Amino acid sequence: DVKVTQSSRYLVKRTGEKVFLECVQDMDHENMFWYRQDPGLGLRLIYFSYDVKMKEKGDIPEGYSVSREKKERFSLILESASTNQTSMYLCASSLIQSLNTEAFFGQGTRLTVV
Amino acid sequence: KQEVTQIPAALSVPEGENLVLNCSFTDSAIYNLQWFRQDPGKGLTSLLLIQSSQREQTSGRLNASLDKSSGRSTLYIAASQPGDSATYLCAPAGANNLFFGTGTRLTVIP
Repeated sequence: DVKVTQSSRYLVKRTGEKVFLECVQDMDHENMFWYRQDPGLGLRLIYFSYDVKMKEKGDIPEGYSVSREKKERFSLILESASTNQTSMYLCASSLIQSLNTEAFFGQGTRLTVV
Repeated sequence: KQEVTQIPAALSVPEGENLVLNCSFTDSAIYNLQWFRQDPGKGLTSLLLIQSSQREQTSGRLNASLDKSSGRSTLYIAASQPGDSATYLCAPAGANNLFFGTGTRLTVIP
Protein backbone atom coordinates (compact mmCIF):
# COMPACT_ATOMS: atom_id res chain seq x y z
CA ASP A 1 0.00 0.00 0.00
CA VAL A 2 1.04 3.54 -0.70
CA LYS A 3 2.02 5.40 2.39
CA VAL A 4 2.11 9.16 2.75
CA THR A 5 3.48 10.20 6.12
CA GLN A 6 3.32 13.66 7.64
CA SER A 7 5.86 14.35 10.35
CA SER A 8 3.46 15.68 12.98
CA ARG A 9 -0.22 15.16 13.83
CA TYR A 10 -0.45 18.27 15.99
CA LEU A 11 1.69 21.40 16.18
CA VAL A 12 1.40 24.57 18.22
CA LYS A 13 3.57 27.49 17.14
CA ARG A 14 3.88 31.15 18.04
CA THR A 15 3.15 34.04 15.71
CA GLY A 16 6.23 34.97 13.71
CA GLU A 17 7.92 31.57 14.00
CA LYS A 18 9.24 29.78 10.92
CA VAL A 19 7.40 26.48 10.65
CA PHE A 20 8.31 23.36 8.67
CA LEU A 21 5.77 20.70 7.78
CA GLU A 22 7.29 17.54 6.35
CA CYS A 23 5.74 14.93 4.10
CA VAL A 24 7.27 11.68 2.86
CA GLN A 25 5.84 9.15 0.39
CA ASP A 26 7.20 5.66 -0.18
CA MET A 27 5.92 4.79 -3.68
CA ASP A 28 8.19 6.79 -5.98
CA HIS A 29 5.35 9.14 -6.94
CA GLU A 30 6.15 12.05 -9.25
CA ASN A 31 3.54 14.46 -7.93
CA MET A 32 3.20 15.82 -4.43
CA PHE A 33 0.74 18.37 -3.09
CA TRP A 34 0.04 20.49 -0.05
CA TYR A 35 -3.54 21.44 0.81
CA ARG A 36 -5.09 23.22 3.73
CA GLN A 37 -8.57 22.40 4.98
CA ASP A 38 -10.80 24.86 6.78
CA PRO A 39 -14.42 24.50 7.90
CA GLY A 40 -16.84 25.64 5.21
CA LEU A 41 -14.06 26.11 2.64
CA GLY A 42 -13.05 22.56 1.84
CA LEU A 43 -9.54 21.67 0.72
CA ARG A 44 -7.55 24.34 -1.08
CA LEU A 45 -4.28 23.76 -2.93
CA ILE A 46 -1.27 25.67 -1.61
CA TYR A 47 1.57 24.29 -3.76
CA PHE A 48 2.35 21.23 -5.81
CA SER A 49 5.48 19.66 -7.24
CA TYR A 50 5.75 17.39 -10.28
CA ASP A 51 9.46 16.61 -9.94
CA VAL A 52 12.48 17.16 -7.74
CA LYS A 53 13.22 20.87 -7.34
CA MET A 54 10.10 21.75 -9.37
CA LYS A 55 7.20 23.58 -7.78
CA GLU A 56 4.05 25.35 -8.87
CA LYS A 57 1.79 27.69 -6.96
CA GLY A 58 -1.70 26.55 -6.18
CA ASP A 59 -4.71 28.66 -5.30
CA ILE A 60 -3.47 30.11 -2.00
CA PRO A 61 0.38 30.25 -1.96
CA GLU A 62 0.72 33.55 -0.08
CA GLY A 63 2.66 33.18 3.15
CA TYR A 64 3.98 29.73 2.21
CA SER A 65 6.95 28.25 0.39
CA VAL A 66 7.92 24.67 -0.41
CA SER A 67 10.99 22.55 -0.91
CA ARG A 68 11.48 19.32 -2.79
CA GLU A 69 15.13 18.27 -2.68
CA LYS A 70 14.37 14.54 -2.90
CA LYS A 71 11.61 12.78 -4.79
CA GLU A 72 10.07 11.23 -1.70
CA ARG A 73 9.99 14.36 0.46
CA PHE A 74 7.96 17.56 0.10
CA SER A 75 8.20 20.26 2.74
CA LEU A 76 5.82 23.13 3.39
CA ILE A 77 7.35 26.19 5.01
CA LEU A 78 5.51 28.97 6.78
CA GLU A 79 8.04 31.78 6.64
CA SER A 80 6.47 33.76 9.49
CA ALA A 81 3.49 32.01 11.01
CA SER A 82 0.32 34.01 11.54
CA THR A 83 -2.91 33.17 13.32
CA ASN A 84 -4.80 32.95 10.02
CA GLN A 85 -2.59 30.00 9.11
CA THR A 86 -4.16 27.94 11.88
CA SER A 87 -5.60 25.04 9.91
CA MET A 88 -5.44 21.36 9.03
CA TYR A 89 -2.67 20.74 6.49
CA LEU A 90 -2.84 17.73 4.21
CA CYS A 91 -0.13 16.32 1.98
CA ALA A 92 -0.91 14.12 -1.02
CA SER A 93 0.99 12.27 -3.74
CA SER A 94 0.13 10.67 -7.08
CA LEU A 95 2.07 8.75 -9.69
CA ILE A 96 2.12 10.84 -12.86
CA GLN A 97 1.59 14.43 -13.80
CA SER A 98 -1.69 14.06 -15.63
CA LEU A 99 -3.36 12.86 -12.44
CA ASN A 100 -4.86 9.89 -14.24
CA THR A 101 -3.86 7.88 -11.25
CA GLU A 102 -5.10 7.74 -7.72
CA ALA A 103 -4.03 10.40 -5.25
CA PHE A 104 -3.15 9.36 -1.71
CA PHE A 105 -3.23 11.56 1.35
CA GLY A 106 -1.35 11.68 4.61
CA GLN A 107 -2.99 11.73 8.02
CA GLY A 108 -2.95 15.50 8.29
CA THR A 109 -1.21 18.02 10.56
CA ARG A 110 -3.38 20.19 12.77
CA LEU A 111 -1.43 23.45 13.15
CA THR A 112 -2.40 26.04 15.72
CA VAL A 113 -0.66 29.42 15.66
CA VAL A 114 -1.00 31.40 18.87
CA LYS B 1 -12.35 27.64 -11.97
CA GLN B 2 -13.83 24.30 -11.08
CA GLU B 3 -16.61 24.53 -8.49
CA VAL B 4 -17.70 21.40 -6.65
CA THR B 5 -20.99 21.05 -4.79
CA GLN B 6 -22.03 18.13 -2.63
CA ILE B 7 -25.60 17.63 -1.56
CA PRO B 8 -26.75 17.04 1.10
CA ALA B 9 -24.23 18.63 3.45
CA ALA B 10 -25.27 16.17 6.17
CA LEU B 11 -27.22 12.96 6.17
CA SER B 12 -28.39 10.69 8.96
CA VAL B 13 -29.74 7.20 8.20
CA PRO B 14 -30.57 4.04 10.15
CA GLU B 15 -28.23 1.09 9.83
CA GLY B 16 -28.93 -1.15 6.85
CA GLU B 17 -30.31 1.56 4.60
CA ASN B 18 -29.02 2.10 1.08
CA LEU B 19 -28.06 5.69 0.33
CA VAL B 20 -26.82 7.98 -2.42
CA LEU B 21 -24.44 10.91 -2.09
CA ASN B 22 -24.41 13.50 -4.85
CA CYS B 23 -21.59 15.52 -6.34
CA SER B 24 -21.80 18.14 -9.08
CA PHE B 25 -18.99 20.06 -10.76
CA THR B 26 -18.97 22.95 -13.20
CA ASP B 27 -16.13 22.07 -15.59
CA SER B 28 -16.56 18.78 -17.44
CA ALA B 29 -12.94 18.78 -18.73
CA ILE B 30 -11.66 16.44 -16.03
CA TYR B 31 -9.14 13.59 -16.10
CA ASN B 32 -10.91 11.53 -13.48
CA LEU B 33 -12.97 11.81 -10.31
CA GLN B 34 -12.06 10.38 -6.96
CA TRP B 35 -14.22 9.72 -3.91
CA PHE B 36 -12.66 9.94 -0.46
CA ARG B 37 -13.79 9.44 3.09
CA GLN B 38 -12.50 11.47 5.99
CA ASP B 39 -12.89 10.56 9.64
CA PRO B 40 -12.91 13.44 12.16
CA GLY B 41 -9.46 14.95 12.58
CA LYS B 42 -7.88 12.52 10.13
CA GLY B 43 -6.58 12.54 6.58
CA LEU B 44 -8.42 11.40 3.45
CA THR B 45 -8.81 7.76 2.51
CA SER B 46 -9.29 7.00 -1.18
CA LEU B 47 -12.43 4.96 -1.89
CA LEU B 48 -12.87 4.90 -5.66
CA LEU B 49 -11.31 6.41 -8.76
CA ILE B 50 -13.36 6.77 -11.94
CA GLN B 51 -11.48 7.60 -15.12
CA SER B 52 -13.08 10.21 -17.37
CA SER B 53 -13.84 7.51 -19.96
CA GLN B 54 -15.65 5.32 -17.43
CA ARG B 55 -19.28 5.51 -16.32
CA GLU B 56 -19.08 3.44 -13.16
CA GLN B 57 -16.73 1.89 -10.62
CA THR B 58 -17.46 -0.56 -7.84
CA SER B 59 -15.66 -1.60 -4.67
CA GLY B 60 -17.49 -3.85 -2.23
CA ARG B 61 -20.64 -2.07 -1.01
CA LEU B 62 -19.67 1.13 -2.83
CA ASN B 63 -20.62 2.07 -6.37
CA ALA B 64 -19.69 5.37 -7.96
CA SER B 65 -21.05 6.69 -11.23
CA LEU B 66 -19.84 9.52 -13.42
CA ASP B 67 -21.71 11.57 -16.00
CA LYS B 68 -19.01 13.90 -17.19
CA SER B 69 -21.11 15.77 -19.72
CA SER B 70 -23.63 16.83 -17.10
CA GLY B 71 -21.01 17.37 -14.40
CA ARG B 72 -22.41 14.83 -11.96
CA SER B 73 -21.21 11.91 -9.90
CA THR B 74 -22.97 9.79 -7.32
CA LEU B 75 -21.69 7.49 -4.62
CA TYR B 76 -24.05 4.67 -3.72
CA ILE B 77 -23.53 2.90 -0.40
CA ALA B 78 -25.39 -0.36 0.06
CA ALA B 79 -26.49 -1.76 3.43
CA SER B 80 -24.97 1.07 5.44
CA GLN B 81 -23.14 0.31 8.71
CA PRO B 82 -22.21 2.51 11.69
CA GLY B 83 -18.57 2.23 10.55
CA ASP B 84 -19.54 4.11 7.39
CA SER B 85 -20.07 7.26 9.46
CA ALA B 86 -17.63 9.85 8.11
CA THR B 87 -17.44 12.79 5.75
CA TYR B 88 -17.41 11.85 2.08
CA LEU B 89 -15.63 14.06 -0.43
CA CYS B 90 -15.66 13.96 -4.19
CA ALA B 91 -12.75 15.40 -6.12
CA PRO B 92 -12.71 15.91 -9.90
CA ALA B 93 -9.14 16.09 -11.20
CA GLY B 94 -7.73 18.73 -13.51
CA ALA B 95 -4.25 18.65 -15.03
CA ASN B 96 -2.46 19.50 -11.81
CA ASN B 97 -5.02 19.60 -9.07
CA LEU B 98 -7.88 17.88 -7.35
CA PHE B 99 -10.85 20.15 -6.68
CA PHE B 100 -12.89 19.63 -3.55
CA GLY B 101 -16.26 20.60 -2.24
CA THR B 102 -17.07 20.67 1.45
CA GLY B 103 -18.34 17.09 1.52
CA THR B 104 -21.32 15.21 2.92
CA ARG B 105 -21.20 14.27 6.60
CA LEU B 106 -22.84 10.85 6.96
CA THR B 107 -24.08 9.41 10.25
CA VAL B 108 -25.33 5.82 10.31
CA ILE B 109 -27.42 5.16 13.40
CA PRO B 110 -27.20 1.65 14.92
